[in-house]
Amino acid sequence: QVQLQESGPGLVKPSRTLSLTCAVSGGSISSSNWWTWVRQPPGKRLEWIGEIYDGGSTNYNPSLKSRVTISVDSSENHFSLKVKSVTAADTAVYYCARAAGIGGWFDSWGQGILVTVSS
Amino acid sequence: EIVLTQSPATLSLSPGERATLSCRASQSVSSYLAWYQQKPGQAPRLLIYDTSKRATGIPARFSGSGSGTDFTLTISSLEPEDFAVYYCQQRSNWPPYTFGQGTKLEIK
Repeated sequence: QVQLQESGPGLVKPSRTLSLTCAVSGGSISSSNWWTWVRQPPGKRLEWIGEIYDGGSTNYNPSLKSRVTISVDSSENHFSLKVKSVTAADTAVYYCARAAGIGGWFDSWGQGILVTVSS
Repeated sequence: EIVLTQSPATLSLSPGERATLSCRASQSVSSYLAWYQQKPGQAPRLLIYDTSKRATGIPARFSGSGSGTDFTLTISSLEPEDFAVYYCQQRSNWPPYTFGQGTKLEIK
């Protein structure tokens, strides 16, 4: 049973870069899955941010593409999210998740981490 | 981008009753629709994918149906642990994958 755990700062200043890491345990990150970031602003619906395949291919939400980078570190068995030039609108609970096989369905999730953008 | 609209926003029922939740897509998603359950302070949990396939470990009281633009999640007999928020999600036309705004299933 794969387990995911997000980590990173819970407070980021406006205009700075938000950086989060998702540690994968109970399985290899190099296992033909799509590794995904999803966020949920307070009181709002879930928003898909983007994904990375173990070979390094990425897909991003067009609404965030210019500000987002997802990368993978196979040696550490984790993947990461960077969102640059953040504003208060980026305040959300950020989840990492796995989409097995061909992707699209998120069958394993981290517990989530609240990131607040504020000075 | 495909917009998913869920109804009702809130559903008030008692344990043992049948729950019917709806999800409508702004354009056809074929059968590429999933349902998730989210409890307060927890991550979403995959219940149903490809419209009607139950994810691993999901009880048989959960079922999904529909195609094209109209989909339904049915919980045949509500258990106390089923009261939560439910989201639908499509993977037909991506990026991006999109989610509905959620239906809150509360105890009457």
